[in-house]
Amino acid sequence: EAQVTQNPRYLITVTGKKLTVTCSQNMNHEYMSWYRQDPGLGLRQIYYSMNVEVTDKGDVPEGYKVSRKEKRNFPLILESPSPNQTSLYFCASSFRYGRDETQYFGPGTRLLVL
Amino acid sequence: EDQVTQSPEALRLQEGESSSLNCSYTVSGLRGLFWYRQDPGKGPEFLFTLYSAGEEKEKERLKATLTKKESFLHITAPKPEDSATYLCAVQAWGGGYNKLIFGAGTRLAVHP
Repeated sequence: EAQVTQNPRYLITVTGKKLTVTCSQNMNHEYMSWYRQDPGLGLRQIYYSMNVEVTDKGDVPEGYKVSRKEKRNFPLILESPSPNQTSLYFCASSFRYGRDETQYFGPGTRLLVL
Repeated sequence: EDQVTQSPEALRLQEGESSSLNCSYTVSGLRGLFWYRQDPGKGPEFLFTLYSAGEEKEKERLKATLTKKESFLHITAPKPEDSATYLCAVQAWGGGYNKLIFGAGTRLAVHP
C-alpha cells in the first residue's frame, strides 16, 4: 500500500530534550516536506526537500533541522524543543507528472513540549 | 505577501443542501491551487489540483473551480460522510519548487 508513515504518532517531552520524528514514504517520491498545524493558523511549511541531500527552509524553520540521506526518509529533528513547538506535525511527499502533482500526507505526530 | 483566506470558517448543512466553500488568494505567481479534505486526527487527503483560471475538476459530489483571484469548492447534495475540514493551498512560482501556502480551512458539518 502506498503510504507516508510517521513515528511516533504521539509524543510528550520536556523543554530542551532532543527528539527526532521520523518520516518514510514507499512511493519513490522525490519531494518531501514537513508542516506544522496550529489552530487558526492552518498548515505551515517547516522544511522541504527536492531530492537526496537537497533541502530548503519553508516558512517556519526556526528551531528545526532536517536531513535527506535517503530518498524514502526525511526525519525532523528538534535539537532543543520549547513549549512553542507544541503542535501537530505532518510529513508529506509528492511527485510531479507533467502538470499534475499529487501530495500524500502522513497521519500526523502530535507533540507536547512541557 | 502570499496569502490564502478561506470562508466561511465553519458551515453547517442539512443532507442534500448544496453549497460552496470559498478560497481567495494573493500570490506573486500561481503555479497551482490545491484542495484537501482533512478528517479529525488524520492527515490531509488530496482532492484536486487546479492550474489555470477557468479550469474545473470534479469528484463525486465535489467540484472545484478556479478564477484569477479565488477558487470555489462546490458540494452538491452533500451526505453526512462529507463532513470534514476542507483545506485550500496555493503553490507559488519561485522561492522553492515545493512551497505550499495553506488557508486555515473550512469545517463542514452535514447533518441527516
